[in-house]
Amino acid sequence: DGGITQSPKYLFRKEGQNVTLSCEQNLNHDAMYWYRQDPGQGLRLIYYSQIVNDFQKGDIAEGYSVSREKKESFPLTVTSAQKNPTAFYLCASSPHSRDTQYFGPGTRLTVL
Amino acid sequence: GENVEQHPSTLSVQEGDSAVIKCTYSDSASNYFPWYKQELGKRPQLIIDIRSNVGEKKDQRIAVTLNKTAKHFSLHITETQPEDSAVYFCAASIGGGGNKLTFGTGTQLKVEL
Repeated sequence: DGGITQSPKYLFRKEGQNVTLSCEQNLNHDAMYWYRQDPGQGLRLIYYSQIVNDFQKGDIAEGYSVSREKKESFPLTVTSAQKNPTAFYLCASSPHSRDTQYFGPGTRLTVL
Repeated sequence: GENVEQHPSTLSVQEGDSAVIKCTYSDSASNYFPWYKQELGKRPQLIIDIRSNVGEKKDQRIAVTLNKTAKHFSLHITETQPEDSAVYFCAASIGGGGNKLTFGTGTQLKVEL
């Protein structure tokens, strides 16, 4: 787990602004994921990427965008089109040949 | 797509008692079932996982059982301790590298002294 970092830990955004959350891993994992967690709820998948320069929408992709230009980085942009962005955002990664996903420490986003 | 249901949503036990959390899944193609523990404000941590070719797996005080026919799997914690208090999530996936997990809604376990 220590090989996955997310920044910032806390982020405040005004309505109408785009904001980018960082996720970096030094585990040489091929796959990376973004989840959203709301209070009292489970994790919902936003986007995932199985390989560099490729990514797929998850269950709640609307209002979000990602890029995967480098193996170790998978930034998530929360756009102004996301109507209810306040949540805890978790990034995860997994090796190509295994199912296990390891999570980063998360970013708590609050829209003011 | 896959749907995972988890029960109960909250569970309170006395220290030393056992705790059981149950999950059901809908997609018969799912073959990988991890359990995560999440403490308040922290990241989810994998505590145990099971694959569909195995019916039960144990790791010290934690065990997971899988019934493929009924499409349900359970987490068993024996001799509970206060530090077991957390939210526990089950998940399911079709498996293989890079495949997505579908999570249950979580169980808040409280171990009382």
